[in-house]
Amino acid sequence: GQNIDQPTEMTATEGAIVQINCTYQTSGFNGLFWYQQHAGEAPTFLSYNVLDGLEEKGRFSSFLSRSKGYSYLLLKELQMKDSASYLCAVLDSNYQLIWGAGTKLIIKP
Amino acid sequence: IAGITQAPTSQILAAGRRMTLRCTQDMRHNAMYWYRQDLGLGLRLIHYSNTAGTTGKGEVPDGYSVSRANTDDFPLTLASAVPSQTSVYFCASSDSGATGELFFGEGSRLTVL
Repeated sequence: GQNIDQPTEMTATEGAIVQINCTYQTSGFNGLFWYQQHAGEAPTFLSYNVLDGLEEKGRFSSFLSRSKGYSYLLLKELQMKDSASYLCAVLDSNYQLIWGAGTKLIIKP
Repeated sequence: IAGITQAPTSQILAAGRRMTLRCTQDMRHNAMYWYRQDLGLGLRLIHYSNTAGTTGKGEVPDGYSVSRANTDDFPLTLASAVPSQTSVYFCASSDSGATGELFFGEGSRLTVL
C-alpha cells in the first residue's frame, strides 16, 4: 500500500529552527508537495520538489531524497504565526496525490 | 477577490437527507477536486474533474456524486447522507494539472446526525 509518514505533533520555540520530516512509500514518484494549514483554514501551498536537493524560499526550505523516500521542511527564525499543521503529499505514478496526516507545529514564546 | 468559494461554510444535516455543497472558482482553472479531511487522516480525494464536461472517481467516491457543466462550478452532492460523511470538505483547483499548486476553498464543515 501507499504510505506517507510524518510526526503528529512538534513543539518549537519562537526564533528557533525546526525540521519536519516526511517519509513515503508510494507506487512511483512524480513530486512532493508541502502545504501549510492554519487551524480552521484551507491548506496553502509552500513548496514542490521533484529533484533531489534543497529548495530555499525565504525562511522555509524543503529537501528531497528520492532514493531514501524522504523529505523535510525546514523553518527558520520561527514566528508565532508559523503555528499550523504542515501537510506532506506525494504525487504517485498515476499522478494521484497521496497525503500525509499532517504535523501540528506548536510555537512557544 | 479571485479564488474559490464554497457554500455553505457549515451545515448540520439529518441522516438520509440530500445535500449539495457548492464550489465556484473564478481563476479559469481546468482541474477541480473535492477532498474530505478527517482528524488523524490525510486529505482524501472524493472526485475530480480535469476539464469541464469530465469527472473521475477518487479514493473515496461512494455516496457522493459530482458534475462539471462549466469551468467555474463543481458541486458535490450527497444523495442520502450518513453519519460517516461527517467531515470537513475542501474544494480545490489547479491550472497546471497534477503537478501544479492546488488552490483550496475555505472548506465546508458538514455534520450528519
